[in-house]
Amino acid sequence: GDSVTQMEGPVTLSEEAFLTINCTYTATGYPSLFWYVQYPGEGLQLLLKATKADDKGSNKGFEATYRKETTSFHLEKGSVQVSDSAVYFCALSPPGPGSARQLTFGSGTQLTVLP
Amino acid sequence: GAVVSQHPSRVICKSGTSVKIECRSLDFQATTMFWYRQFPKKSLMLMATSNEGSKATYEQGVEKDKFLINHASLTLSTLTVTSAHPEDSSFYICSAFDVDRRSFDFGQGTRLTVV
Repeated sequence: GDSVTQMEGPVTLSEEAFLTINCTYTATGYPSLFWYVQYPGEGLQLLLKATKADDKGSNKGFEATYRKETTSFHLEKGSVQVSDSAVYFCALSPPGPGSARQLTFGSGTQLTVLP
Repeated sequence: GAVVSQHPSRVICKSGTSVKIECRSLDFQATTMFWYRQFPKKSLMLMATSNEGSKATYEQGVEKDKFLINHASLTLSTLTVTSAHPEDSSFYICSAFDVDRRSFDFGQGTRLTVV
């Protein structure tokens, strides 16, 4: 079955440091890939997504590129802020136009950014 | 703004009572919604897939008689935790699939505490 392997946390960085959170996946075909962010006590918010190989999703300074050859979707940000402190989830959904497919989540990575 | 609204955000109930959690899609129709449970510092565990007008599909190990799901309209799914016990205390999150945007949107989550 489908699976998502995500970098173990927690990750602690100083403000303005470079961030990478690794994510690799196992799936058949070309799944859609997502990064979600969860702030304390809240639900999940979509951060970015990519639906086909070589697509780059980007939002709020975060980027991730869909790499089919390495089955990866690593999350990066050039300069993190204290407000980026949250839990980040990598996820995939199987291909299938117009149909609802359930998400498969990675284990989540806790990021703490210190001032 | 939020496109999926979950209510209540926090509830405390006594053992043996039932609690209903609502999940509404605000600006799109959702034929499929998902219910997740999240334990502290853990990823999301899919409990069931809620299908409008038909029975929910439960994941293995989830008691369907304990976690009643009703999806009576295209914008509302409810999860009722029946005869709640302290071990049911958790963070419950719903998600709705927007076919047009091919996007999974999440509610804000419900913190259930059973005392």
